[in-house]
Amino acid sequence: GAVVSQHPSWVICKSGTSVKIECRSLDFQATTMFWYRQFPKQSLMLMATSNEGSKATYEQGVEKDKFLINHASLTLSTLTVTSAHPEDSSFYICSAIAAGGAGTNYGYTFGSGTRLTVV
Amino acid sequence: GNSVTQMEGPVTLSEEAFLTINCTYTATGYPSLFWYVQYPGEGLQLLLKATKADDKGSNKGFEATYRKETTSFHLEKGSVQVSDSAVYFCALSYNDMRFGAGTRLTVKP
Repeated sequence: GAVVSQHPSWVICKSGTSVKIECRSLDFQATTMFWYRQFPKQSLMLMATSNEGSKATYEQGVEKDKFLINHASLTLSTLTVTSAHPEDSSFYICSAIAAGGAGTNYGYTFGSGTRLTVV
Repeated sequence: GNSVTQMEGPVTLSEEAFLTINCTYTATGYPSLFWYVQYPGEGLQLLLKATKADDKGSNKGFEATYRKETTSFHLEKGSVQVSDSAVYFCALSYNDMRFGAGTRLTVKP
């Protein structure tokens, strides 16, 4: 079945530094990838939608200069948290959808998430 | 826009009790509906799905029926186990995927 690998699974960084999170579709081509953020004991909030080769579409209230998304290939999207601060600490989850909606979850396959802690 | 309203918890049940977690949705088109489960410290796992009205999704004893007339997709299980303790999310997919607030279920022996 369709698999999405997200890396790293957890990261601790110092305030003011940048962190890059990778999301890879391992056995399918992901034309669209989504990035979510989950605060403790809360739901997943969609941050942005990225299509391969084009700029990401950010949800209202999400700072695009803060959360840089790159989807340069059909199997890789990256989320870079720039100049991270403690309030950016969260659980970030990506999902990918294949062309034509193939794969599990009626087209959506989720990564296992990245727990970011900014100290 | 599209959204999901989910019964908030926490919900605490004894083992073998009946479970219902309510979920209603608002959508402009004809979305697909999902239930996901999240265990502590882990990502999401698809529990079940339904892609059109009157479809019933089922898995591991859990069931949910896509009710267009009531715009609902309530999750049910006849007899819960301690291992079912987790957070359950109702979700809607149209052009993207939107999640409900999540319901934390604790099952006590």
